[in-house]
Amino acid sequence: AQSVTQLDSHVSVSEGTPVLLRCNYSSSYSPSLFWYVQHPNKGLQLLLKYTSAATLVKGINGFEAEFKKSETSFHLTKPSAHMSDAAEYFCVGSSGSARQLTFGSGTQLTVLP
Amino acid sequence: EAGVVQSPRYKIIEKKQPVAFWCNPISGHNTLYWYLQNLGQGPELLIRYENEEAVDDSQLPKDRFSAERLKGVDSTLKIQPAELGDSAVYLCASSSGGRFGGELFFGEGSRLTVL
Repeated sequence: AQSVTQLDSHVSVSEGTPVLLRCNYSSSYSPSLFWYVQHPNKGLQLLLKYTSAATLVKGINGFEAEFKKSETSFHLTKPSAHMSDAAEYFCVGSSGSARQLTFGSGTQLTVLP
Repeated sequence: EAGVVQSPRYKIIEKKQPVAFWCNPISGHNTLYWYLQNLGQGPELLIRYENEEAVDDSQLPKDRFSAERLKGVDSTLKIQPAELGDSAVYLCASSSGGRFGGELFFGEGSRLTVL
């Protein structure tokens, strides 16, 4: 069975400093993994996705994530945080042909001026 | 191109009243999802449609919740009667499919408050 764990419910960073949002997955076979962002009162927007091609995935707004099979991780990073990055971030896994998505519990990112 | 459209954006009702939410997916997307999102939590799948067929409704509380997608395009999610615990955001999403479901495009959600 697929499961996704986001290790931090809240992360605070100062503007201009790096962002690290952690996600671990467990799956009996190679998953597809996604990061979505949700701004207040908005729908979820795809940041990036991993589908067994390159292990380093670049997304929108300067975000990237690296799939590490040995660590079963898919952490989201950004070199320099911007105030507009403040939002809720969800790590999402998909496995098998059933098109079933498993959402992590979310990480609230706060960016301090 | 228009994204996923949901209505109403906000709804306040008293318990035991009925409520319905409507979703119009992106044109050409065969797969439609309804998710429930409680405050501070990730979305949880209620039902997934492939065209007009409900292929995964195992998490839908069928005693009070119902959904339909009669022509394989737009969809309606109904709750009757609503309970206090149903207060949440109801998200609709659609995708064009693909081996792992492809990218999901989400609407802005319908926020339900049950008093």
